[in-house]
Amino acid sequence: DIQMTQSPSTLSASVGDRVTITCRASQSITNWLAWYQQRPGKAPKLLIYKASTLENGVPSRFSGSGSGTEFILTINSLQPDDFATYYCQQYNSYSGTFGQGTKVEIK
Amino acid sequence: QVHLVESGGGVVQPGRSLRLSCAASGFTFGNYGMHWVRQAPGKGLEWVALIWFHGRNKYYADSVKGRFTISRDNSKNTLFLQMDNLRAEDTAVYYCARDRDDIVVVPSAYDSWGQGTLVTVSS
Repeated sequence: DIQMTQSPSTLSASVGDRVTITCRASQSITNWLAWYQQRPGKAPKLLIYKASTLENGVPSRFSGSGSGTEFILTINSLQPDDFATYYCQQYNSYSGTFGQGTKVEIK
Repeated sequence: QVHLVESGGGVVQPGRSLRLSCAASGFTFGNYGMHWVRQAPGKGLEWVALIWFHGRNKYYADSVKGRFTISRDNSKNTLFLQMDNLRAEDTAVYYCARDRDDIVVVPSAYDSWGQGTLVTVSS
């Protein structure tokens, strides 16, 4: 099975900051990677798919990059709504493994 | 507008069974692969099962294989998860989620999610 590892687990930042979250796959997943945002008590929301394609309606301050085994989610100019937990997910195989999550907290 | 509504959660004793449902509306349900994803209290997301749009192919996480069965009724726009021989470690919020791409038999990102239904396995 493909394992997904995110770093960091927790990130403290301020409104207006630029933050990056890294996701590594245990084997190449080409670009079959998605990023989700989850606010407390809510369902996950798709932000990015195919590693770098922004989902409809997602603000352009979110961007994704990478291929193979290493991927990055960047949030430019962090907004109050962005304090949440972020998950990467590989969908190279039928079992869509998620990373363990990165919680973005207010500094 | 895509709408997914899970139901059927509750408190159940270890070893017992429970059947979850996910009612879909706002899109052509029979054209999309569907998933169950769960989240234990305070933990991350875990993919549970996938059923292709036509219902002929199903896939399961190792942790539930042989105990859980995913199915769908495209005439009633409903997804199901039959959970047998439940264990304490199955305690979680269960979400149904839709594949982003329609009429495909390759994995896809999940673009729509229900609000989740809580399953608690406890004696």
